[in-house]
Amino acid sequence: LAKTTQPISMDSYEGQEVNITCSHNNIATNDYITWYQQFPSQGPRFIIQGYKTKVTNEVASLFIPADRKSSTLSLPRVSLSDTAVYYCLVGDMRDYGGSQGNLIFGKGTKLSVKP
Amino acid sequence: GAVVSQHPSRVICKSGTSVKIECRSLDFQATTMFWYRQFPKQSLMLMATSNEGSKATYEQGVEKDKFLINHASLTLSTLTVTSAHPEDSSFYICSARDPPTQYFGPGTRLLVL
Repeated sequence: LAKTTQPISMDSYEGQEVNITCSHNNIATNDYITWYQQFPSQGPRFIIQGYKTKVTNEVASLFIPADRKSSTLSLPRVSLSDTAVYYCLVGDMRDYGGSQGNLIFGKGTKLSVKP
Repeated sequence: GAVVSQHPSRVICKSGTSVKIECRSLDFQATTMFWYRQFPKQSLMLMATSNEGSKATYEQGVEKDKFLINHASLTLSTLTVTSAHPEDSSFYICSARDPPTQYFGPGTRLLVL
């Protein structure tokens, strides 16, 4: 059972900022929050990862409130090529191979960017 | 980010034959690797977790004798689909962990005729 809940779909227009929120009410102390992007017939591509507060890289920002029960992926100025499915996952990413660390995928958010 | 490769990218085989898919971590060593399967318009489903040098752990409902996993080195894991049948046709994706981040391969499209 996936540990996260996301909107099934979102629509946006080119040049807009897109924020996708993910709920993970039962997040555990050692869990990281990771976001992936997937295009059809490709493996998921790592976007960003965080544990708490705010993380920013060259493609996105990740906002995590103090209680860590949700997170928001922010994509600045989206383009048509950002049309994809976005997955939010939480898991204990320490490398001991235990089941608590297995990343279980939910349905993801299908983002459609229109011209 | 780290790179995970898979080979082949696509394979077509006859029913009853076996198919091997390789997964490699190219620029890091991975003690733990994962195999997922994805059917059209569905999300990824975890099949099994493999740890280097030990037996794989299979998710409930996944036949370990049908999906053989070998994690012989810190950079290579293989998935062998034995006696493949048309219902095994799917998109198989491997993943390797470079703590605290997990990276995914490009996937292998398997079509069983």
